Amino acid sequence: QVQLVQSGGGVVQPGKTLRLSCLASGFTISTFGMHWVRQAPGKGLEWVAGMSFDGSNKFYSDSVKGRFTISKDSSKNTLYLEMNSLRAEDTAIYYCAKPDWNLWYFDSWGQGTLVTVSS
Amino acid sequence: DIQMTQSPSTLSASVGDRVTITCRASQNINSFLAWYQQKPGKAPRLLIYQASILQSGVPSRFSGSGSATDFTLTISSLQPDDFATYFCQQYHHYPWGFGQGTEVEVK
Repeated sequence: QVQLVQSGGGVVQPGKTLRLSCLASGFTISTFGMHWVRQAPGKGLEWVAGMSFDGSNKFYSDSVKGRFTISKDSSKNTLYLEMNSLRAEDTAIYYCAKPDWNLWYFDSWGQGTLVTVSS
Repeated sequence: DIQMTQSPSTLSASVGDRVTITCRASQNINSFLAWYQQKPGKAPRLLIYQASILQSGVPSRFSGSGSATDFTLTISSLQPDDFATYFCQQYHHYPWGFGQGTEVEVK
C-alpha cells in the first residue's frame, strides 16, 4: 500500500538551510504530482509547494516563493523540499502529500516532520 | 486567491448527534472540494473528494454535499472516534487552500 516516510526536520537558526525528504513506497512518484503542506503549532493547514508528475511545473505559496524548492529523485522514489533563508514563521510540522492522479486533493500523507526555526 | 471559510470554528456535540460543518469558497470552485479529518499529533486523513465522493474505507456516516461556493460535511451519528478537527480544501485553482478548521469537541 502507499506509504510516505519523512525525514530531515529539526532545529535550525534563522537564515539557515534545511532539506526535508519524503520516501515513497507502494507507488512511483514519477507518475504522480507531489506536494508539501505545513501546519504551524496549533494552527490550520497551509499548502506550501507542489509539482507535476514530470517535474515540468512547480508551484509555490507566496510565503515561500523564492526561498523553498521542491524536487524529486525518481531513481530513489523520493520527494524533497529545500528550505533556504528560513524564518521564525516557517516553524511548523511539514507533511508531504500525494494527490490523486489528475486532481490535486491529497489521498495519502507522510507522518509529518517538525521544523523549528530559532536562534 | 480563493478564500475558504469554515463554520463553526468549534462545535460541541454528543455521541449520536447529527453534526454539520459548512465550508464557503470566495469564488466558484465547482465541485473541486475535499474534506479531511485530523486528530492531535496525526496527519490529516482524506474523507471526501469532489464534494461528495466518499474515500475508500471511510464510514458511511460521513457525507458531503454542495457545489460552486457552498459545501457541507455531515456526520449522521457522531461516534467517539469522530472527535477531531475537520478541514476543507479547494483544488480548483492555484494556490490550493484550506479552510481554518472546525474542531468537534465533546459536549
